[in-house]
Amino acid sequence: AQSVTQLGSHVSVSEGALVLLRCNYSSSVPPYLFWYVQYPNQGLQLLLKYTSAATLVKGINGFEAEFKKSETSFHLTKPSAHMSDAAEYFCAVGYSQGGSEKLVFGKGTRLTVNP
Amino acid sequence: DVKVTQSSRYLVKRTGEKVFLECVQDMDHENMFWYRQDPGLGLRLIYFSYDVKMKEKGDIPEGYSVSREKKERFSLILESASTNQTSMYLCASSLVDGTSGSTDTQYFGPGTRLTVL
Repeated sequence: AQSVTQLGSHVSVSEGALVLLRCNYSSSVPPYLFWYVQYPNQGLQLLLKYTSAATLVKGINGFEAEFKKSETSFHLTKPSAHMSDAAEYFCAVGYSQGGSEKLVFGKGTRLTVNP
Repeated sequence: DVKVTQSSRYLVKRTGEKVFLECVQDMDHENMFWYRQDPGLGLRLIYFSYDVKMKEKGDIPEGYSVSREKKERFSLILESASTNQTSMYLCASSLVDGTSGSTDTQYFGPGTRLTVL
């Protein structure tokens, strides 16, 4: 069964500091992994997606994530936080069932950026 | 750009009412999904559909039903709304990527915040 654990429901950083959001997954098959971002009062927007082409995946807004099979991790990073990065971030793992691809989401990490 | 729209951003209903939440996508996607989002619980899948008139239960289907009569439209129905169905409801759609075998990206609507009094 597929599952996702996001460590830390709340992360707070200073503007300009490194952002690190942690995600560990469990999957019985090679995983397809996603990071989504949700800004206040909006739906989810794709940040980046891992599909086994490269272990380091670059996304929008300067974010990137590294797939580490040995650690079953897919942590999201950004070298320098900006105030506009304040949002909730969701890690998800994809799998197929019933002819459709589905996603299992983590519980989310709320990122606060302090001036 | 893929666009997924939901009929209402905010909705207030009374206990026992029948509630319809509508979702429309404009990218000819086969798959459509309904999730509910609650603080500390993330997104949980209610129902999904991989074709017109086809539907599958997700993780929390109790108290909900769905309808997909046209490819672009996927409706979530609360037959008799209850206070524990107060939540944010998110619709999503995705393409069936038969070539790469990968799970394709899901595109989300803006959400409907439903309050049941």
